[in-house]
Amino acid sequence: AQTVTQSQPEMSVQEAETVTLSCTYDTSESDYYLFWYKQPPSRQMILVIRQEAYKQQNATENRFSVNFQKAAKSFSLKISDSQLGDAAMYFCAYRPFSLRETSGSRLTFGEGTQLTVNP
Amino acid sequence: DSGVTQTPKHLITATGQRVTLRCSPRSGDLSVYWYQQSLDQGLQFLIHYYNGEERAKGNILERFSAQQFPDLHSELNLSSLELGDSALYFCASSVTEYGYGYTFGSGTRLTVV
Repeated sequence: AQTVTQSQPEMSVQEAETVTLSCTYDTSESDYYLFWYKQPPSRQMILVIRQEAYKQQNATENRFSVNFQKAAKSFSLKISDSQLGDAAMYFCAYRPFSLRETSGSRLTFGEGTQLTVNP
Repeated sequence: DSGVTQTPKHLITATGQRVTLRCSPRSGDLSVYWYQQSLDQGLQFLIHYYNGEERAKGNILERFSAQQFPDLHSELNLSSLELGDSALYFCASSVTEYGYGYTFGSGTRLTVV
């Protein structure tokens, strides 16, 4: 079974600084997708960034970028120029590439990292 | 507004009762997913429907059931409620059954007292 681990329950960063959130996962699949979701106090789950495992290039979305290390099964999120609005719970998630009866299209989430942004 | 509508936003009910949570997917999306978020279990996949058919089941209790209707909205029925069922229940949708990049609703907060 796939597992996703976020070893940092809490992180803090100063406004305008850079912070990196860690995520590791365990899978026997060779093709899969990885995601970072943000959950602000409004509790809405917002997709931040996604990465296809077959792509060697790390995904980037504006101030958000990932460091995807497939061999190490590591998928960290870097937030540059942190803003107060970035304060939220961040979840790393995994989804296998192929559909199977047992897994379907489910996302497996990590435990989350609570990010605080200090002014 | 994500386009995925969940009602009600909050629900307080007593143990042993039955409730129905409703989800309207984003326009054009055929897949609906249900997730439970609780403090002790984190985010857990419950069930996935695609165009009215069940596609996958996760950690869904036998007391829970779901369906997706011809108009593509979905309902999650929770019966014989226990205190431990208190959680945030999310619905998400995607265009295909592959779920590449879900869109989540804002959730229904269920409190069982």
